[in-house]
Amino acid sequence: KNEVEQSPQNLTAQEGEFITINCSYSVGISALHWLQQHPGGGIVSLFMLSSGKKKHGRLIATINIQEKHSSLHITASHPRDSAVYICAVRSVTGNQFYFGTGTSLTVIP
Amino acid sequence: GAGVSQSPRYKVAKRGQDVALRCDPISGHVSLFWYQQALGQGPEFLTYFQNEAQLDKSGLPSDRFFAERPEGSVSTLKIQRTQQEDSAVYLCASSLGAGVYSSSYNEQFFGPGTRLTVL
Repeated sequence: KNEVEQSPQNLTAQEGEFITINCSYSVGISALHWLQQHPGGGIVSLFMLSSGKKKHGRLIATINIQEKHSSLHITASHPRDSAVYICAVRSVTGNQFYFGTGTSLTVIP
Repeated sequence: GAGVSQSPRYKVAKRGQDVALRCDPISGHVSLFWYQQALGQGPEFLTYFQNEAQLDKSGLPSDRFFAERPEGSVSTLKIQRTQQEDSAVYLCASSLGAGVYSSSYNEQFFGPGTRLTVL
């Protein structure tokens, strides 16, 4: 059973394109995280959302609690955005995290 | 240091050996999480500490896995009698706060991970 589903699994884009990665979840959550993982394994937290929308530079994250869905958008994509993007949700108890399998993004110059 | 550190970065063990993986969280961080990430998969939750208290260990895959954080700072994940299926990257993350909702206090900072290979 996958508590968190991401789509697409793989995504290739041309530099400059607008990118959307989707995340759906089936459990009650207290917060949703978007993480970025580069080759070699390092994980960086991009966003933590409990509601609404957040923006940081070219990255925008939205969440719809009623629909149990979140999206990560990248505007004006760049080759350095190439990475695996992972959606993770924190349970309502706050003690557990459930992760999606990630979306592998490749941005071609 | 400024970030979460883990040691060793790489560990090769023979099947049946015991291993100990160390996590040094950011100083003062209350919450500490351990995750297991198999090749090509997303991380999976193992266990959660709030200070020295292990509040959730439901993700530990078997009783061969044991984690501790005796003084509320450094944590050790121990795997006894390692099996090939234990091969994975073990990630540690910490956050300043112990809350659950979106806040800068609850943002997680990840260590670089320990890549465990069991032969």
